[in-house]
Amino acid sequence: DAGVIQSPRHEVTEMGQEVTLRCKPISGHDYLFWYRQTMMRGLELLIYFNNNVPIDDSGMPEDRFSAKMPNASFSTLKIQPSEPRDSAVYFCASSLTSGGAYEQYFGPGTRLTVT
Amino acid sequence: AQTVTQSQPEMSVQEAETVTLSCTYDTSESDYYLFWYKQPPSRQMILVIRQEAYKQQNATENRFSVNFQKAAKSFSLKISDSQLGDAAMYFCAYRSAFGNEKLTFGTGTRLTIIP
Repeated sequence: DAGVIQSPRHEVTEMGQEVTLRCKPISGHDYLFWYRQTMMRGLELLIYFNNNVPIDDSGMPEDRFSAKMPNASFSTLKIQPSEPRDSAVYFCASSLTSGGAYEQYFGPGTRLTVT
Repeated sequence: AQTVTQSQPEMSVQEAETVTLSCTYDTSESDYYLFWYKQPPSRQMILVIRQEAYKQQNATENRFSVNFQKAAKSFSLKISDSQLGDAAMYFCAYRSAFGNEKLTFGTGTRLTIIP
């Protein structure tokens, strides 16, 4: 299996621009997670989906952030308009529920820089 | 809300020696799962080991083992026979067993291996 795929790996954009991050989960997994990693706040969950339905978006910082999962094999995280404080590494992860301490498999992350 | 605390921002160990990374957590739940993730410079998050709270036996994975003390809410990671490839950030994480699938991470410990 190719693992969780994220694109782009790096993104540099100017303040005010729209940014779209993409994720392809592992085939067959029914949960998808978006995390953000910064020096100040560490790793924090933004939102997660179960069977393409958003379950918990309480970690989404503000209305500038939105996430969608139109089908089981694709999800996007959009920031519009972007701000310098959005600079971070954004991880997508997926998991297959199996009734226990199932693992979340992480993608390689997208490093976003907003200037 | 659950919190995870890693009180050692940095640790170092001589190659082939043993090192223990500390983690404590706070929760009012009776059942949950605990994880240690490794993040090397490539920034890929890799699961090292997991522990179900209802299991008294400490989990082990080759050179990696945990000391799980449920009453003390402590979950330390022991790495035996340290190798250069073990150099990374190590994150302790908590997940509830009661429906919320999010991982709550600690702030991480940077482990350096001294040749």
